[in-house]
Amino acid sequence: DVKVTQSSRYLVKRTGEKVFLECVQDMDHENMFWYRQDPGLGLRLIYFSYDVKMKEKGDIPEGYSVSREKKERFSLILESASTNQTSMYLCASIGGLNTGELFFGEGSRLTVL
Amino acid sequence: KQEVTQIPAALSVPEGENLVLNCSFTDSAIYNLQWFRQDPGKGLTSLLLIQSSQREQTSGRLNASLDKSSGRSTLYIAASQPGDSATYLCAVRPHTGNQFYFGTGTSLTVIP
Repeated sequence: DVKVTQSSRYLVKRTGEKVFLECVQDMDHENMFWYRQDPGLGLRLIYFSYDVKMKEKGDIPEGYSVSREKKERFSLILESASTNQTSMYLCASIGGLNTGELFFGEGSRLTVL
Repeated sequence: KQEVTQIPAALSVPEGENLVLNCSFTDSAIYNLQWFRQDPGKGLTSLLLIQSSQREQTSGRLNASLDKSSGRSTLYIAASQPGDSATYLCAVRPHTGNQFYFGTGTSLTVIP
């Protein structure tokens, strides 16, 4: 079974702190994604990566950056956390070229005080 | 830009009923459509994936259909159980690019 693992399920940070959210997938997927999910707004794409060291902005990249140094790992970075970044963050990776099935991690619930 | 709509936003049914969840999309040029389940505070679990060339997919008590020309997909759940209570989301992948477009989901409650 494909596994997408998000290292932190719950985090509480203070305004201005730097936050790292880690995501690891074990199926050699090339494409990985970071979304945030908020009530009434649904899932919104922050960044995605189609290969090591390659990234593209999604719909809401402001205030975020990403890192993909190894194929299996995609990190989301909040350089200076703000209260409006309190949200559920979801990492996903896409399966083989033939199927294109999207797999999600368990989510990271971030609260910024 | 592709828009994906799920109506109703919430649905409550008694245990044992068969039910249908709806997903509509505005651009029929899709690569595939995927249905997910999300439990409170958790990530999304893939239920069914339908490629653009397919009309339906089945897994156990779940059956998903796709009608590209009308921009619709339905998820049929047979003999609903309380454990089916969750939010169900659909996502559309266009023919080009790696973006996915998500509906906002239908929250299902199955009453024992």
